[in-house]
Amino acid sequence: GNSVTQMEGPVTLSEEAFLTINCTYTATGYPSLFWYVQYPGEGLQLLLKATKADDKGSNKGFEATYRKETTSFHLEKGSVQVSDSAVYFCALSISGSARQLTFGSGTQLTVLP
Amino acid sequence: DTEVTQTPKHLVMGMTNKKSLKCEQHMGHRAMYWYKQKAKKPPELMFVYSYEKLSINESVPSRFSPECPNSSLLNLHLHALQPEDSALYLCASSQLQGTGYTFGSGTRLTVV
Repeated sequence: GNSVTQMEGPVTLSEEAFLTINCTYTATGYPSLFWYVQYPGEGLQLLLKATKADDKGSNKGFEATYRKETTSFHLEKGSVQVSDSAVYFCALSISGSARQLTFGSGTQLTVLP
Repeated sequence: DTEVTQTPKHLVMGMTNKKSLKCEQHMGHRAMYWYKQKAKKPPELMFVYSYEKLSINESVPSRFSPECPNSSLLNLHLHALQPEDSALYLCASSQLQGTGYTFGSGTRLTVV
């Protein structure tokens, strides 16, 4: 089956620190990979995605590279801000007629001023 | 229009009430989904509709009844819920090909 393993949280960083949230996956077939962000009291927003090996997704200073050889999609940001405090979910989907998202457990990030 | 709109945003209901959650999208997506999310947990898939037909029911109790009246609308009818059903209910839609997948902002449901 398909699964996503995410770095355990919570993660607490000071403003302008470097962020890495690890994500690895197992999948039957060739998945698309996603990072979603959920701010307090809100729904999920797509942060970035990658659809094939070696693709790099990027948005709002966040980046993640689809590494097929290590089955990983780690999220990075060079300098976090207080406004980045949220829960981050790594997810995958397999192309098909109606695709389900398989989520990791989520990582709570708190950035302190 | 690139949004999935969910109403209401908040709902408090008693265990004997009947209520409905609504979801609407105008992106031409032909797959629509209901997810349930408990605090600090990832969303759990409940139902999938493909071309307005129910294609996946993840063993959800019958007190939750989905309906897809047309390609833009998705409803979730609620009846005789339990306090443990209190959660954030998320609607999503997606293309059947490609990777577009959009979530609504959710309905926060409290069962008292």
